Amino acid sequence: KNEVEQSPQNLTAQEGEFITINCSYSVGISALHWLQQHPGGGIVSLFMLSSGKKKHGRLIATINIQEKHSSLHITASHPRDSAVYICAVSVGNMLTFGGGTRLMVKP
Amino acid sequence: GAVVSQHPSRVICKSGTSVKIECRSLDFQATTMFWYRQFPKQSLMLMATSNEGSKATYEQGVEKDKFLINHASLTLSTLTVTSAHPEDSSFYICSARDAGGPRETQYFGPGTRLLVL
Repeated sequence: KNEVEQSPQNLTAQEGEFITINCSYSVGISALHWLQQHPGGGIVSLFMLSSGKKKHGRLIATINIQEKHSSLHITASHPRDSAVYICAVSVGNMLTFGGGTRLMVKP
Repeated sequence: GAVVSQHPSRVICKSGTSVKIECRSLDFQATTMFWYRQFPKQSLMLMATSNEGSKATYEQGVEKDKFLINHASLTLSTLTVTSAHPEDSSFYICSARDAGGPRETQYFGPGTRLLVL
Protein backbone atom coordinates (compact mmCIF):
# COMPACT_ATOMS: atom_id res chain seq x y z
CA LYS A 1 0.00 0.00 0.00
CA ASN A 2 1.33 3.41 -0.94
CA GLU A 3 1.54 5.88 1.93
CA VAL A 4 1.73 9.57 1.07
CA GLU A 5 2.90 11.91 3.80
CA GLN A 6 2.82 15.68 3.57
CA SER A 7 4.47 18.23 5.80
CA PRO A 8 3.68 20.55 7.32
CA GLN A 9 -0.04 20.01 7.87
CA ASN A 10 -0.60 23.69 8.53
CA LEU A 11 1.52 26.64 7.53
CA THR A 12 1.11 30.35 8.16
CA ALA A 13 3.36 32.76 6.31
CA GLN A 14 3.73 36.49 5.81
CA GLU A 15 3.21 37.91 2.36
CA GLY A 16 6.42 37.75 0.38
CA GLU A 17 7.89 34.74 2.16
CA PHE A 18 9.31 31.72 0.34
CA ILE A 19 7.23 28.64 1.11
CA THR A 20 8.10 24.95 0.86
CA ILE A 21 5.68 22.06 1.20
CA ASN A 22 7.04 18.52 1.27
CA CYS A 23 5.64 15.18 0.14
CA SER A 24 7.06 11.71 0.71
CA TYR A 25 5.71 8.43 -0.60
CA SER A 26 6.55 4.82 0.04
CA VAL A 27 6.37 2.84 -3.21
CA GLY A 28 7.29 3.31 -6.86
CA ILE A 29 5.02 5.63 -8.77
CA SER A 30 4.43 6.65 -12.36
CA ALA A 31 3.80 10.32 -11.59
CA LEU A 32 3.23 12.79 -8.77
CA HIS A 33 0.64 15.53 -8.77
CA TRP A 34 0.42 18.77 -6.85
CA LEU A 35 -3.15 20.03 -6.48
CA GLN A 36 -4.55 23.25 -5.06
CA GLN A 37 -7.93 23.43 -3.35
CA HIS A 38 -9.37 26.79 -2.46
CA PRO A 39 -12.01 27.34 0.23
CA GLY A 40 -15.12 26.63 -1.80
CA GLY A 41 -13.70 23.30 -2.75
CA GLY A 42 -12.71 23.38 -6.41
CA ILE A 43 -9.49 21.57 -7.20
CA VAL A 44 -6.89 22.81 -9.65
CA SER A 45 -4.08 20.63 -10.89
CA LEU A 46 -0.83 22.60 -10.53
CA PHE A 47 1.79 20.13 -11.69
CA MET A 48 2.25 16.56 -12.79
CA LEU A 49 5.85 15.34 -12.41
CA SER A 50 7.65 12.14 -13.13
CA SER A 51 11.19 13.51 -12.81
CA GLY A 52 13.19 16.67 -12.29
CA LYS A 53 11.64 20.07 -11.85
CA LYS A 54 8.82 22.14 -13.25
CA LYS A 55 8.11 25.86 -12.92
CA HIS A 56 4.94 27.82 -13.51
CA GLY A 57 4.95 31.46 -12.53
CA ARG A 58 5.84 31.66 -8.83
CA LEU A 59 5.37 27.94 -8.31
CA ILE A 60 8.16 25.39 -8.56
CA ALA A 61 7.81 21.64 -8.10
CA THR A 62 10.67 19.19 -7.78
CA ILE A 63 10.80 15.44 -7.43
CA ASN A 64 13.56 13.04 -6.40
CA ILE A 65 12.53 9.58 -7.55
CA GLN A 66 15.35 7.78 -5.70
CA GLU A 67 14.43 9.42 -2.40
CA LYS A 68 10.67 9.20 -3.08
CA HIS A 69 10.25 12.85 -2.22
CA SER A 70 8.78 15.94 -3.82
CA SER A 71 8.63 19.59 -2.84
CA LEU A 72 6.36 22.41 -3.88
CA HIS A 73 7.83 25.89 -3.54
CA ILE A 74 6.01 29.19 -3.71
CA THR A 75 8.15 32.26 -4.21
CA ALA A 76 7.01 35.75 -3.17
CA SER A 77 3.90 34.35 -1.53
CA HIS A 78 0.65 36.30 -1.67
CA PRO A 79 -2.59 36.08 0.32
CA ARG A 80 -4.32 34.66 -2.76
CA ASP A 81 -2.03 31.64 -2.45
CA SER A 82 -3.94 30.70 0.71
CA ALA A 83 -5.40 27.27 0.00
CA VAL A 84 -4.94 23.61 0.74
CA TYR A 85 -2.15 22.02 -1.28
CA ILE A 86 -2.48 18.31 -1.90
CA CYS A 87 0.14 15.88 -3.09
CA ALA A 88 -1.13 12.83 -4.94
CA VAL A 89 0.80 9.96 -6.49
CA SER A 90 -0.17 7.89 -9.48
CA VAL A 91 0.30 4.21 -9.94
CA GLY A 92 -1.19 3.69 -13.38
CA ASN A 93 -4.38 5.73 -13.36
CA MET A 94 -5.06 5.36 -9.63
CA LEU A 95 -4.27 8.23 -7.28
CA THR A 96 -3.30 8.10 -3.62
CA PHE A 97 -3.63 11.43 -1.84
CA GLY A 98 -1.65 13.00 0.94
CA GLY A 99 -3.45 14.64 3.80
CA GLY A 100 -2.96 18.14 2.44
CA THR A 101 -1.16 21.23 3.70
CA ARG A 102 -3.31 24.14 4.74
CA LEU A 103 -1.50 27.36 3.85
CA MET A 104 -2.46 30.80 5.02
CA VAL A 105 -0.54 33.79 3.75
CA LYS A 106 -1.11 36.94 5.78
CA PRO A 107 -0.80 40.42 4.26
CA GLY B 1 -6.49 23.23 -20.87
CA ALA B 2 -8.86 20.35 -20.36
CA VAL B 3 -12.05 21.22 -18.48
CA VAL B 4 -14.33 19.07 -16.39
CA SER B 5 -17.66 20.42 -15.21
CA GLN B 6 -19.99 19.20 -12.48
CA HIS B 7 -23.64 19.95 -12.05
CA PRO B 8 -25.10 21.00 -9.74
CA SER B 9 -22.42 22.85 -7.79
CA ARG B 10 -24.47 22.58 -4.62
CA VAL B 11 -27.70 20.86 -3.70
CA ILE B 12 -29.87 20.68 -0.63
CA CYS B 13 -32.36 17.85 -0.42
CA LYS B 14 -34.66 16.16 2.06
CA SER B 15 -33.77 12.88 3.66
CA GLY B 16 -35.05 9.95 1.61
CA THR B 17 -34.84 11.64 -1.77
CA SER B 18 -32.35 10.81 -4.53
CA VAL B 19 -29.86 13.25 -5.97
CA LYS B 20 -28.07 12.98 -9.30
CA ILE B 21 -24.70 14.64 -9.88
CA GLU B 22 -23.31 15.00 -13.40
CA CYS B 23 -19.67 15.07 -14.40
CA ARG B 24 -18.80 16.15 -17.93
CA SER B 25 -15.55 16.39 -19.82
CA LEU B 26 -15.98 19.43 -22.01
CA ASP B 27 -13.19 19.23 -24.55
CA PHE B 28 -11.87 15.69 -24.41
CA GLN B 29 -13.10 12.11 -24.31
CA ALA B 30 -12.93 10.42 -20.95
CA THR B 31 -13.04 6.63 -21.01
CA THR B 32 -12.40 6.64 -17.28
CA MET B 33 -13.86 8.93 -14.65
CA PHE B 34 -13.37 8.83 -10.92
CA TRP B 35 -15.71 9.81 -8.11
CA TYR B 36 -14.31 11.09 -4.84
CA ARG B 37 -15.84 12.13 -1.58
CA GLN B 38 -14.35 14.64 0.78
CA PHE B 39 -15.35 15.30 4.37
CA PRO B 40 -14.50 18.66 5.96
CA LYS B 41 -10.76 19.14 6.43
CA GLN B 42 -10.00 15.68 5.14
CA SER B 43 -8.40 14.43 1.98
CA LEU B 44 -10.24 13.03 -1.00
CA MET B 45 -11.46 9.47 -0.73
CA LEU B 46 -11.94 7.46 -3.91
CA MET B 47 -15.44 6.03 -4.07
CA ALA B 48 -15.49 4.38 -7.47
CA THR B 49 -13.93 4.21 -10.89
CA SER B 50 -16.33 4.67 -13.77
CA ASN B 51 -15.52 3.17 -17.16
CA GLU B 52 -17.50 4.12 -20.24
CA GLY B 53 -19.83 1.36 -21.31
CA SER B 54 -19.19 -0.94 -18.36
CA LYS B 55 -20.02 -1.27 -14.69
CA ALA B 56 -18.26 0.95 -12.21
CA THR B 57 -15.67 -0.47 -9.85
CA TYR B 58 -16.42 0.47 -6.26
CA GLU B 59 -13.91 0.84 -3.46
CA GLN B 60 -14.26 -1.30 -0.38
CA GLY B 61 -16.91 0.03 1.96
CA VAL B 62 -18.80 2.00 -0.70
CA GLU B 63 -22.32 0.71 -1.28
CA LYS B 64 -22.96 0.35 -4.99
CA ASP B 65 -26.73 0.32 -4.49
CA LYS B 66 -26.50 3.54 -2.54
CA PHE B 67 -24.21 5.36 -4.94
CA LEU B 68 -25.30 4.51 -8.47
CA ILE B 69 -22.80 5.37 -11.18
CA ASN B 70 -23.57 5.51 -14.88
CA HIS B 71 -20.97 6.30 -17.54
CA ALA B 72 -23.08 6.13 -20.65
CA SER B 73 -20.94 8.26 -22.94
CA LEU B 74 -17.33 9.32 -23.37
CA THR B 75 -18.06 12.73 -21.91
CA LEU B 76 -20.59 12.08 -19.14
CA SER B 77 -20.66 10.15 -15.89
CA THR B 78 -23.41 10.48 -13.30
CA LEU B 79 -23.45 9.69 -9.60
CA THR B 80 -26.87 9.19 -8.03
CA VAL B 81 -27.09 9.21 -4.25
CA THR B 82 -30.20 7.15 -3.58
CA SER B 83 -32.41 7.57 -0.53
CA ALA B 84 -30.07 10.22 0.80
CA HIS B 85 -29.49 10.57 4.53
CA PRO B 86 -27.82 13.36 6.51
CA GLU B 87 -24.63 11.31 6.78
CA ASP B 88 -24.37 11.46 2.97
CA SER B 89 -23.83 15.20 3.24
CA SER B 90 -20.39 15.77 1.80
CA PHE B 91 -18.38 17.30 -1.03
CA TYR B 92 -18.36 15.07 -4.11
CA ILE B 93 -15.66 15.55 -6.72
CA CYS B 94 -15.19 13.83 -10.05
CA SER B 95 -12.12 13.61 -12.18
CA ALA B 96 -11.65 12.43 -15.72
CA ARG B 97 -8.81 10.81 -17.56
CA ASP B 98 -8.21 12.01 -21.11
CA ALA B 99 -8.42 8.95 -23.36
CA GLY B 100 -5.86 10.53 -25.64
CA GLY B 101 -3.42 11.51 -22.91
CA PRO B 102 -1.08 9.85 -20.40
CA ARG B 103 -2.72 7.42 -17.97
CA GLU B 104 -1.51 9.50 -15.05
CA THR B 105 -3.28 12.69 -16.11
CA GLN B 106 -6.55 13.44 -14.36
CA TYR B 107 -8.60 16.61 -14.64
CA PHE B 108 -10.74 17.50 -11.67
CA GLY B 109 -14.24 18.90 -11.62
CA PRO B 110 -15.14 21.80 -9.34
CA GLY B 111 -17.10 19.57 -6.97
CA THR B 112 -20.69 19.31 -5.76
CA ARG B 113 -21.61 20.13 -2.20
CA LEU B 114 -24.51 18.00 -1.00
CA LEU B 115 -26.48 18.80 2.13
CA VAL B 116 -29.15 16.35 3.20
CA LEU B 117 -31.64 17.69 5.73
